[in-house]
Amino acid sequence: GGIITQTPKFLIGQEGQKLTLKCQQNFNHDTMYWYRQDSGKGLRLIYYSITENDLQKGDLSEGYDASREKKSSFSLTVTSAQKNEMAVFLCASSPDWGGRYQDTQYFGPGTRLLVL
Amino acid sequence: GDSVTQTEGLVTVTEGLPVKLNCTYQTTYLTIAFFWYVQYLNEAPQVLLKSSTDNKRTEHQGFHATLHKSSSSFHLQKSSAQLSDSALYYCALRTGNTGKLIFGLGTTLQVQP
Repeated sequence: GGIITQTPKFLIGQEGQKLTLKCQQNFNHDTMYWYRQDSGKGLRLIYYSITENDLQKGDLSEGYDASREKKSSFSLTVTSAQKNEMAVFLCASSPDWGGRYQDTQYFGPGTRLLVL
Repeated sequence: GDSVTQTEGLVTVTEGLPVKLNCTYQTTYLTIAFFWYVQYLNEAPQVLLKSSTDNKRTEHQGFHATLHKSSSSFHLQKSSAQLSDSALYYCALRTGNTGKLIFGLGTTLQVQP
């Protein structure tokens, strides 16, 4: 088994501020993901990293940067927080990118962002 | 492009009665995998069911689903809903030779006494 840890759990920022969210996994998985969760909009992929030192843009990458510091960690930066923005950011990992079809993505508990 | 459509919004059911959450998909890929994720309040989404085999019933924690490629569906069902089943449910599609999941918009299931 393993676990995904996301820090911080809650993040309150100011408009225009750069904010960084962190994710750690101990599954020894190659691939990691960042999703944004908004009520009624499902889970939207922001960035993913197939292996260490790889970065790929998802469907919602504008306004975000990401970095894969090492195999076990993946960070997401909100480059300029938008006023009244409220969302949950979920980190996930999976064994690899093109592996078995039933390989599962495992999720962390999320970081809840509020921009004042 | 590929897409997933699931019962949207809120589904309310009385404890002990059956529940069905619909999920259909569109894709040109022949080889796919399908997942149902459940997210309890303030917790991480977790896999409830998964399948890549056509017409094979998959069961877990009292829930079951069957992937029907002929109707492009993977509906989630339970014969007797429990209060503890109240949660947010997502269906998700994986296609081709990638790890990318395409999620539906989510269905909130509320089981009332």
